[in-house]
Amino acid sequence: DIQLTQSPSFLSASVGDRVTITCRASQGISSYLAWYHQKPGKAPKLLIYDASTLQSGVPSRFSGSGSGTEFTLTISSLQPEDFATYYCQQLNSYPRTFGQGTKVEIK
Amino acid sequence: QVQLQESGPGLVKPSGTLSLTCAVSAGAISSSNWWTWVRQPPGKGLEWIGEIYHSGSTYYNPSLKSRVTISIDKSRNQFSLTLSSVTAADTAMYYCARVQRFLAGPGDYWGQGTLVTVSS
Repeated sequence: DIQLTQSPSFLSASVGDRVTITCRASQGISSYLAWYHQKPGKAPKLLIYDASTLQSGVPSRFSGSGSGTEFTLTISSLQPEDFATYYCQQLNSYPRTFGQGTKVEIK
Repeated sequence: QVQLQESGPGLVKPSGTLSLTCAVSAGAISSSNWWTWVRQPPGKGLEWIGEIYHSGSTYYNPSLKSRVTISIDKSRNQFSLTLSSVTAADTAMYYCARVQRFLAGPGDYWGQGTLVTVSS
């Protein structure tokens, strides 16, 4: 199985901050990586797929980059509704796997 | 807009079988998509369970493979999850989702989730 390691696991930030989350894969996954965020009691919501393609309806302050084994999710200016837990997921091979999550909290 | 809704018992006894159904908005399940199940134990991260294509082809997580079955009923616009020999470790929120495309697609539409507790 491909292991995904997110860093940091916890992040404290203020509204307006630029935030970057990293996802590292245990082996190359091309660009087959997706990012989701999840608010308490809610289902995950797709933000980015193919490492850098913004899902329809997702604000442009979200962006993704990377290929191979290292990927980043950047929020250019953190908004109150962005405080949530973020997960990466690899879609290169089965079984699909998720990172352990990064919780973004209000400083 | 595709809508999904999970349903099934919220409480299952240890060693029993967990059975959940995901109802998909009319017509959507006939399209060329994979359909997937993901679970999340309380306070923990996401775990991929498996997925099924509209033709019936499946992939399962090897960690669950001997206990899990995913099936599809296109006439009823639904797909289902069965997990046998459950233990407390199977207590989780269970989500169904549509996979966006045939190859390497993410989950783009999700159900709201249903909590299943394994307890006597």
